[in-house]
Amino acid sequence: DTGVSQNPRHKITKRGQNVTFRCDPISEHNRLYWYRQTLGQGPEFLTYFQNEAQLEKSRLLSDRFSAERPKGSFSTLEIQRTEQGDSAMYLCASSLGVNPYEQYFGPGTRLTVT
Amino acid sequence: KNEVEQSPQNLTAQEGEFITINCSYSVGISALHWLQQHPGGGIVSLFMLSSGKKKHGRLIATINIQEKHSSLHITASHPRDSAVYICAVRSWGGNQFYFGTGTSLTVIP
Repeated sequence: DTGVSQNPRHKITKRGQNVTFRCDPISEHNRLYWYRQTLGQGPEFLTYFQNEAQLEKSRLLSDRFSAERPKGSFSTLEIQRTEQGDSAMYLCASSLGVNPYEQYFGPGTRLTVT
Repeated sequence: KNEVEQSPQNLTAQEGEFITINCSYSVGISALHWLQQHPGGGIVSLFMLSSGKKKHGRLIATINIQEKHSSLHITASHPRDSAVYICAVRSWGGNQFYFGTGTSLTVIP
C-alpha cells in the first residue's frame, strides 16, 4: 500500500445518470476527506469521515450527493441524476488521527457530464 | 471573499530564477500546507507549517502567524518545478481545509 488510490480515474457520463467513485485510503488512516476541484480553482471541501462516521458535510454536498465509508476503510461517493455542473475532479485524501494536519491525496477521479 | 488568497495566479520564470509564491489567510489556523499539483491532477504535500520556516531541497516555506501570511520559495528553479502550487489552511477547531486557487508556475528552459 503505497498511497491513496481512487477509481475510476476518469468517468464520462450522460446527464441524468448516476455515478459512483471509490477511494481507498492509506491503511490505518482513520480520517478520509472528499474534495471537488473545478478547472482553475483550488479543491473545495465536500465531506469528511472519521472511521465510518461522517462528521462534516459541506453545503456544496447537495441531496444528489451521498458518501459512505461502511467499514471505516474505503469510501464511496455517489452522485445521482448528474448535471453538467458536476463535471470536476473529485479528490480523496486520508490522514492519521494522531496527526490530522497531514493529508495524503489520491490521484483524483475526473468526471465529465455530457 | 476566500479564506485563502494566493498571489500571483500565474507565474512564468526562466530556469534558474528565484521564485516566490505568497499566501494570505483570514481565519485562525492550526496548520498551513503547501501542495503541488501536476497536470494529471495528483496532489503532493510539500510542507506543513504551524510556525517559522522549513526547507526541503530547493524549496523553502515560511509562515508569519501574526501577519497571517506564508511564502513558498523555490531556489534555482527548474522546468520540472512547473506545476500548480496550492496553499491550504486548517482552521482552529474545525476539520475543514480551506484552499487557495493555486499559482500556476511555468519554468522555461
